[in-house]
Amino acid sequence: DAGVTQSPTHLIKTRGQQVTLRCSPKSGHDTVSWYQQALGQGPQFIFQYYEEEERQRGNFPDRFSGHQFPNYSSELNVNALLLGDSALYLCASSLAVLRETQYFGPGTRLLVL
Amino acid sequence: AQSVAQPEDQVNVAEGNPLTVKCTYSVSGNPYLFWYVQYPNRGLQFLLKYITGDNLVKGSYGFEAEFNKSQTSFHLKKPSALVSDSALYFCAVISGLSTDKLIFGTGTRLQVFP
Repeated sequence: DAGVTQSPTHLIKTRGQQVTLRCSPKSGHDTVSWYQQALGQGPQFIFQYYEEEERQRGNFPDRFSGHQFPNYSSELNVNALLLGDSALYLCASSLAVLRETQYFGPGTRLLVL
Repeated sequence: AQSVAQPEDQVNVAEGNPLTVKCTYSVSGNPYLFWYVQYPNRGLQFLLKYITGDNLVKGSYGFEAEFNKSQTSFHLKKPSALVSDSALYFCAVISGLSTDKLIFGTGTRLQVFP
């Protein structure tokens, strides 16, 4: 039973560029959440997708957008990258039941130069 | 505003001794509390959660946590620490009726010495 997978593992971009991160949920899960973890900090909620729609959103600008596909996999897109976007981006999957446990992938480490 | 506090940046303990990692929370409504562990260059691994019921929750790898409503705390404990328990531990909370947003503390680094 595969857990949550994310790609790529590492990414280096320059300011102003755009990036797409990908996530495949744990088998049987239909909800995907994205978190940003800056160095030395706890993860911060970006948004959550269910039934291919954004269900909740945290305090992140519109430069952060996402998508969920019919197979429940998800993408996180960040436009106009800033140096401050450098972080570990974590994807978590769960069942569509409130307060169900979220299981995390290994993350994508993004470095913006 | 909902928040989680982990007052200790680092906890040091000798192998074989009991360990406690502290967590307090502030939410409106009933809290739903979680502990996760993060090893270097890895994502978060789920340890345990409290939703309702017994205040003492048992989780993976011999960890347990005690929910204390009056003190708004959810401390993580283990009777006998292992060197392999050394990692970064995060407490998180979900609150409210229509949200699944995990709110994390800043993390506590546990160092277990042989």
